[in-house]
Amino acid sequence: LAKTTQPISMDSYEGQEVNITCSHNNIATNDYITWYQQFPSQGPRFIIQGYKTKVTNEVASLFIPADRKSSTLSLPRVSLSDTAVYYCLVGADTGTASKLTFGTGTRLQVTL
Amino acid sequence: GAVVSQHPSWVICKSGTSVKIECRSLDFQATTMFWYRQFPKQSLMLMATSNEGSKATYEQGVEKDKFLINHASLTLSTLTVTSAHPEDSSFYICSARGAGTYYNEQFFGPGTRLTVL
Repeated sequence: LAKTTQPISMDSYEGQEVNITCSHNNIATNDYITWYQQFPSQGPRFIIQGYKTKVTNEVASLFIPADRKSSTLSLPRVSLSDTAVYYCLVGADTGTASKLTFGTGTRLQVTL
Repeated sequence: GAVVSQHPSWVICKSGTSVKIECRSLDFQATTMFWYRQFPKQSLMLMATSNEGSKATYEQGVEKDKFLINHASLTLSTLTVTSAHPEDSSFYICSARGAGTYYNEQFFGPGTRLTVL
């Protein structure tokens, strides 16, 4: 699995847009990029996944440049409840052997 | 969306005892279940992968005789921490993947906090 690098922590004020960038220089052709969110003392929750260009859902947007060596998770107008750890994962489906490898994650703190 | 539950949500036990944690997929059949461990302020660490009806595949460094995993049905997997010691105190999280789903769309349980005295 490709190794990912994210900022350890980020701070934001409520109402702002937050962009968290993840570097994955060794991403393979078959790899997808997936982001998870984890609140304290809870299991992670799938946010979004993408392969290239831009993906948007009701929660976030994911921007992936043409070389796919990085990706940016964009959270529009964050609120206090978006305070969590955000994990960027990169990997491909290898059947029953597929697994997720979590990196250090980015701890986002949203304040008033 | 798919729901995964864990029981108990927290447990305190004495050193040397065994503890069983259950992971259930409530509204889908989980062909594969995963067990993770997470220490405070750290990331999730995959312990093992289990496919229904098969023996679990353990990650390097995880003692299979200490962390017994059973995945006897498509909706239930159990993790038994045998002869628990204080260093086993951690947050244990399971996840499940259904047949035909993307490998990276795992549904996670709420976690079980284990404290060994």
